[in-house]
Amino acid sequence: DAGVTQSPTHLIKTRGQQVTLRCSPKSGHDTVSWYQQALGQGPQFIFQYYEEEERQRGNFPDRFSGHQFPNYSSELNVNALLLGDSALYLCASSLSVGTGEHQPQHFGDGTRLSIL
Amino acid sequence: DAKTTQPPSMDCAEGRAANLPCNHSTISGNEYVYWYRQIHSQGPQYIIHGLKNNETNEMASLIITEDRKSSTLILPHATLRDTAVYYCIVRALITGANSKLTFGKGITLSVRP
Repeated sequence: DAGVTQSPTHLIKTRGQQVTLRCSPKSGHDTVSWYQQALGQGPQFIFQYYEEEERQRGNFPDRFSGHQFPNYSSELNVNALLLGDSALYLCASSLSVGTGEHQPQHFGDGTRLSIL
Repeated sequence: DAKTTQPPSMDCAEGRAANLPCNHSTISGNEYVYWYRQIHSQGPQYIIHGLKNNETNEMASLIITEDRKSSTLILPHATLRDTAVYYCIVRALITGANSKLTFGKGITLSVRP
């Protein structure tokens, strides 16, 4: 049973460019959340997608956007990249509420994004 | 901001129990305590969660004080593979949504041979 998979594992971009990161949720999961983890810090919540809509959003600018597809996979897009966007981007999947309000989120191993 | 306080680091000997403390003095009645860990170069791994009763699974035990203001994660027989950053998280229950996780800096556990 495959867990959460993310691609690519590493990526190097330059300032001003745009990037797209991809996530496939764990089998049976329908909700995807994205987190940003700077070096030495805990992950910070970016947003969450369920039924192809953004349901919750953290304190991130509009340069960060996302999408969820009918097969529940998801993309994170970041425009006009800044040096400060260098981080590990984590995807977490979970079951929606209705099958039990407290469903743990399960994480992939992330995409390491470096901005030059 | 994270609603939990953890010491920055601790260590324990291999084969001994590791007791990781967490303070969450402002926890609300509908908030659960979650523990995750993150081994170097990997994503966070779910360990256990609880509301007010003690919980145990194949990975660990979670002891929550009666006033719910603090908790302890217990790894009964620590191994070198348990060396990781452990995050204690207070997570709200939101009707109709899978609520976000708010991470702090966690506690770095080092298991020594």
